[in-house]
Amino acid sequence: DQQVKQNSPSLSVQEGRISILNCDYTNSMFDYFLWYKKYPAEGPTFLISISSIKDKNEDGRFTVFLNKSAKHLSLHIVPSQPGDSAVYFCAASARGYQKVTFGTGTKLQVIP
Amino acid sequence: DSGVTQTPKHLITATGQRVTLRCSPRSGDLSVYWYQQSLDQGLQFLIQYYNGEERAKGNILERFSAQQFPDLHSELNLSSLELGDSALYFCASSARDKFGEQYFGPGTRLTVT
Repeated sequence: DQQVKQNSPSLSVQEGRISILNCDYTNSMFDYFLWYKKYPAEGPTFLISISSIKDKNEDGRFTVFLNKSAKHLSLHIVPSQPGDSAVYFCAASARGYQKVTFGTGTKLQVIP
Repeated sequence: DSGVTQTPKHLITATGQRVTLRCSPRSGDLSVYWYQQSLDQGLQFLIQYYNGEERAKGNILERFSAQQFPDLHSELNLSSLELGDSALYFCASSARDKFGEQYFGPGTRLTVT
């Protein structure tokens, strides 16, 4: 039962353009969402998060949007840079539970 | 550098054997999490410890066990190993009130032959 789904295993974007990574979830109890970035041979790194009381959170070039009614969130990277090439994991958790559920990841390639 | 250390980096062993993976959390973090990442799979949550006590359990097999010691380092024990246990095993730690924002170690790559 995959409660957090990233349906696009990979994405290629030109340098300078916008990268949009999508994530869907099924568990209505989830109220906190995160994005992690992972380079090869390294552990994932926390990137940005959003609480369910918000619909947008911005941090520099990274913006996460949350659509609760659609149970969908997305990560926008603008402008995309070659150093952004990595695997991006969407993750979610529910209040009162310390377990974080991760998606399967989307591999982003930013082409110079 | 996340501040989380994991040893060993690589481990190759045979089916039926037992191994121990070790993790030291970031200084000050009381929570330790273990994850398994198999080929083309996401991060599967195994288990969480907080200050020495088990707090949450995921899809951890009965052949696997973990503990957190008084100095807060943690060990994941995998026994009766099978080929399908070959994976990357990550440890992560978090601050007390920010369990979602986890800091991951570099992982241990386990290969069972």
